[in-house]
Amino acid sequence: TQLLEQSPQFLSIQEGENLTVYCNSSSVFSSLQWYRQEPGEGPVLLVTVVTGGEVKKLKRLTFQFGDARKDSSLHITAAQPGDTGLYLCAGVGPGKSTFGDGTTLTVKP
Amino acid sequence: DTEVTQTPKHLVMGMTNKKSLKCEQHMGHRAMYWYKQKAKKPPELMFVYSYEKLSINESVPSRFSPECPNSSLLNLHLHALQPEDSALYLCASSEADINYGYTFGSGTRLTVV
Repeated sequence: TQLLEQSPQFLSIQEGENLTVYCNSSSVFSSLQWYRQEPGEGPVLLVTVVTGGEVKKLKRLTFQFGDARKDSSLHITAAQPGDTGLYLCAGVGPGKSTFGDGTTLTVKP
Repeated sequence: DTEVTQTPKHLVMGMTNKKSLKCEQHMGHRAMYWYKQKAKKPPELMFVYSYEKLSINESVPSRFSPECPNSSLLNLHLHALQPEDSALYLCASSEADINYGYTFGSGTRLTVV
């Protein structure tokens, strides 16, 4: 069974601060996805990273895939209240994906 | 159309009721999924259909019965549920290659009383 450890579990910050969420595993994944989920809605795919060492940017969000394809990070610059939500990483293994436990982010105005 | 549509959005059912959740996508995705999600927890995989055939059943109790009538539709039939089955039930679809990621519906909020 492939396990993904996500940290921190909860994060509460002020608007304008920076933050990083981590997703770690001892398993190698063929790709890794990040999702954001708002209350009462399904998760929405933010990005997929495929190549070890890959960095992708989506406005104020920067995603990195570890060189060994076992870990990933999500960095948010100048967080805004609209960034509030549950952030989930998902590692793709043989036939199915494994979700991390999620990071609940609250950005206070 | 880049959406997965789930109905109903909310459902309250008694432990002796029979109900069905419905999911529809028109993106041409050949894989469809049912997930169960408790508050502030990640989605837990229940079933996977690939090319309209059940390919994964994650040891889900038989009171949950999936059905895939065609490549666009996915149902989840519910019977004799327990209060602990109350959760958000999410449908998702994907390309056959799951490295492209999932498109999730908004979910059905199920309460068993």
